[in-house]
Amino acid sequence: QQQVKQSPQSLIVQKGGIPIINCAYENTAFDYFPWYQQFPGKGPALLIAIRPDVSEKKEGRFTISFNKSAKQFSLHIMDSQPGDSATYFCAARDMSIQGAQKLVFGQGTRLTINP
Amino acid sequence: NAGVTQTPKFQVLKTGQSMTLQCAQDMNHEYMSWYRQDPGMGLRLIHYSVGAGITDQGEVPNGYNVSRSTTEDFPLRLLSAAPSQTSVYFCASSRLGRGTYEQYFGPGTRLTVT
Repeated sequence: QQQVKQSPQSLIVQKGGIPIINCAYENTAFDYFPWYQQFPGKGPALLIAIRPDVSEKKEGRFTISFNKSAKQFSLHIMDSQPGDSATYFCAARDMSIQGAQKLVFGQGTRLTINP
Repeated sequence: NAGVTQTPKFQVLKTGQSMTLQCAQDMNHEYMSWYRQDPGMGLRLIHYSVGAGITDQGEVPNGYNVSRSTTEDFPLRLLSAAPSQTSVYFCASSRLGRGTYEQYFGPGTRLTVT
């Protein structure tokens, strides 16, 4: 059972466009929602994260929108560039084990930005 | 700082063989974890540890063992490799606690079981 559902599986956007990746979750115990970026042959790296008491967070060209009542959150990339081509994972932290940073990941989205 | 290191980068095993994937971190992080990455499945938690001597199972623990004798090292053992364990394995570490601490991932080990 996938606790965090991510869509789309792949996405192709022209340079300058705004790709949007969506995630949905069920577990109300999740308390922190990071996005990770992964380039081929590398490990994932933290891109941006949000807590559920905030509806939006921006860092540079990356924005997370969070809808707590709908249990959904999304990543928007403004003015996308070919260098943004990567696989993106949403995740949710399960704090049921005190202090443990257990993350549940979505299935991933392979994003391609065409020049 | 080297961050999180993993060895080997690539490994091919025959069904039934055993091996250990190595993971080390030099950031003095209490929390360490192992994930496997499969196409269309994202990253799934195998085992995790909240400190030396303390480990617990994640989402997909069957066929894997871990131990944590030091803060720095968290090896993953495949007891009897199966083709279903063909995957890319990532080790990660972070601080422990209720704060929003970043998890740092290693570069991964690509394992093929034939």
